[in-house]
Amino acid sequence: EAGVAQSPRYKIIEKRQSVAFWCNPISGHATLYWYQQILGQGPKLLIQFQNNGVVDDSQLPKDRFSAERLKGVDSTLKIQPAKLEDSAVYLCASSFGRNTEAFFGQGTRLTVV
Amino acid sequence: KQEVTQIPAALSVPEGENLVLNCSFTDSAIYNLQWFRQDPGKGLTSLLLIQSSQREQTSGRLNASLDKSSGRSTLYIAASQPGDSATYLCAVKRTGANSKLTFGKGITLSVRP
Repeated sequence: EAGVAQSPRYKIIEKRQSVAFWCNPISGHATLYWYQQILGQGPKLLIQFQNNGVVDDSQLPKDRFSAERLKGVDSTLKIQPAKLEDSAVYLCASSFGRNTEAFFGQGTRLTVV
Repeated sequence: KQEVTQIPAALSVPEGENLVLNCSFTDSAIYNLQWFRQDPGKGLTSLLLIQSSQREQTSGRLNASLDKSSGRSTLYIAASQPGDSATYLCAVKRTGANSKLTFGKGITLSVRP
């Protein structure tokens, strides 16, 4: 069974530039999550989708971050414009249902300089 | 607000030792608890998932227990090996239709040969 796929693995951008991350969840998983993990911290939820609807984006900085999940499958997370404090690993996860086991991708390490 | 604590932040043990990693959470109204492993620069690998109705789960040399009433979980690793060196994170999902996974900061384990 293929796992959660994310790309790119690494990205270095200058502050005020834009960046986009892509995630392909495990086939059949209705729930998709984007987490931000700052060095030395546990992951923090940015946004949770159920199929292609948003169920929790309370911690998403909506002035600069946006996410979409078209057709309830792939998802993209965008940052525009980036700030230095956005440097982190962005993790995508999926689960079959809202309360079942979550599986994570390898993450995208973003460095903003 | 759910808070998850993992203490100590780091642990170093000699190979072959049996060890226990602790996780505590403030809100006992949880749906499940999940233990993850994270290797440097990598994503999260799910180790064990314990539903709120369960007391423990086992997988190979790993055993996780859950005591909801006291807000505690432990991850027991038997006969530790250098390959077990990684960061171990626990995450809890509160009850509720759209509840998110809340993570601790993790325990970085080093197993010395």
